[in-house]
Amino acid sequence: EPEVTQTPSHQVTQMGQEVILRCVPISNHLYFYWYRQILGQKVEFLVSFYNNEISEKSEIFDDQFSVERPDGSNFTLKIRSTKLEDSAMYFCASSAGQMGNQPQHFGDGTRLSIL
Amino acid sequence: KQEVTQIPAALSVPEGENLVLNCSFTDSAIYNLQWFRQDPGKGLTSLLLIQSSQREQTSGRLNASLDKSSGRSTLYIAASQPGDSATYLCAVTSGGSYIPTFGRGTSLIVHP
Repeated sequence: EPEVTQTPSHQVTQMGQEVILRCVPISNHLYFYWYRQILGQKVEFLVSFYNNEISEKSEIFDDQFSVERPDGSNFTLKIRSTKLEDSAMYFCASSAGQMGNQPQHFGDGTRLSIL
Repeated sequence: KQEVTQIPAALSVPEGENLVLNCSFTDSAIYNLQWFRQDPGKGLTSLLLIQSSQREQTSGRLNASLDKSSGRSTLYIAASQPGDSATYLCAVTSGGSYIPTFGRGTSLIVHP
């Protein structure tokens, strides 16, 4: 069964540095998403992406964050000038149809640790 | 602002029991509700997606119901198995966008 893959599985970064989290969505999916889950907290939506542009974003997704689909397969989340509170699991997801109409398929996440 | 609450927070049952997980939401004007399963160290797996016009969805031993008027959904798991042990999350989209709001989840342990 096709999977969403995320790399790296664990990223350790010094505060203030930039990180790029990578995702390869399922190949025929058109909608892509990033979520985060701070340890012990709820899963939180960050952003959805369709047709090479952001379709929705949450209040969390401020100027520190950006997303990109640099080629036909990868979907990346860039976090600039990282802060301690950015430490969390970051999940990528994709779906064949619009969020809410089709189930989303999630990767296993990247654990981001900011020191 | 939509708030999603899941009760109980944790549940431990012997194998074979039928069980019910609860999800409540404050804004009944929802587009849909989705149940997910999350295994330790893994991402989320979509179990059932209920559109606002539907009252229930079934998949195998799982049945999810939706009552918008009371702001509730239940996930019924029949004949539970140790492999059902996981955290079950409820997520609701509402309020003019498709951004989902998640509950904290119910951590389920089914022991042999």
